[in-house]
Amino acid sequence: EVVLTQSPATLSLSPGERATLSCRASQSISTYLAWYQQKPGQAPRLLIYDASSRATGIPARFSGSGSGTDFTLTISGLESEDFATYYCQQRGTFGGGTKVEIK
Amino acid sequence: EVQLVESGGGLVQPGGSLRLSCVASELSFTNNHWMSWVRQAPGKGLEWLANIKQDGSETHYVDSVRGRFTISRDNAKNSVYLQMSSLRAEDTAVYFCARVRGNYNILEYWGQGTLVTVSS
Repeated sequence: EVVLTQSPATLSLSPGERATLSCRASQSISTYLAWYQQKPGQAPRLLIYDASSRATGIPARFSGSGSGTDFTLTISGLESEDFATYYCQQRGTFGGGTKVEIK
Repeated sequence: EVQLVESGGGLVQPGGSLRLSCVASELSFTNNHWMSWVRQAPGKGLEWLANIKQDGSETHYVDSVRGRFTISRDNAKNSVYLQMSSLRAEDTAVYFCARVRGNYNILEYWGQGTLVTVSS
C-alpha cells in the first residue's frame, strides 16, 4: 500500500507570496496523484488531478507537477481565500495534509 | 449547480448501526460514475473508506471498515448508501460522499458531509 507524506505540516506565508507544497509517495505512482483544498467546516475541493491537470474552475495560480514519487503543488501568489489545508491523494490513500496559514 | 447531499448521521451507541445516504440533486449525475465515501475524524485528516462501480458489481474497502461497512447504490434513486455496523468510538467523524472521475478514484464532486458520533 502506498504511503503519502506531505511536507511541511504547516506553511506560514503572507498574501502574494508563493506557496510550495510537497507530497512524497513511498513507491512510484506515475502521475496518479490528486490535490484537494479544504477550508474549515467545508468539504474538500478537487484542485489538481493526474499530477498536473487543473480541475474545472480552478484558477491558473494553482499548478501541480511531479511524477514517480515526488510531487509539488504550487500556488503562485497567495490570495486570502487560499489559506486552507491541502491534501494529496492517490487511489485510497491521502497524505496527512499541509495547512497554509497567514503569517 | 448539481449537489450531493448526505444524510443519516447522528448519535449512535458503540456496537450500533447506522445507514448513511447520499443523493444527487440532478438525475443521472452519479449513475455513470464510481462513487466513494470518505470520512474525517474531528481535527484529523481525510480517510477514504469505500467505493462502488457504476452498476454496483464491484466494491472496495479500506481495511479498517471491511466487514463492518457496506457500500451500495440505487441508480433509479440517484443514491449511494453506506451501511455501518459494529460502530466504535473511533468511527466518529464527518462522512462525505464523492463522485469519482475516471478509474483512479479522483474525487471530483463532494457532498457537504454528515456527522456520525459514536458514544454512550
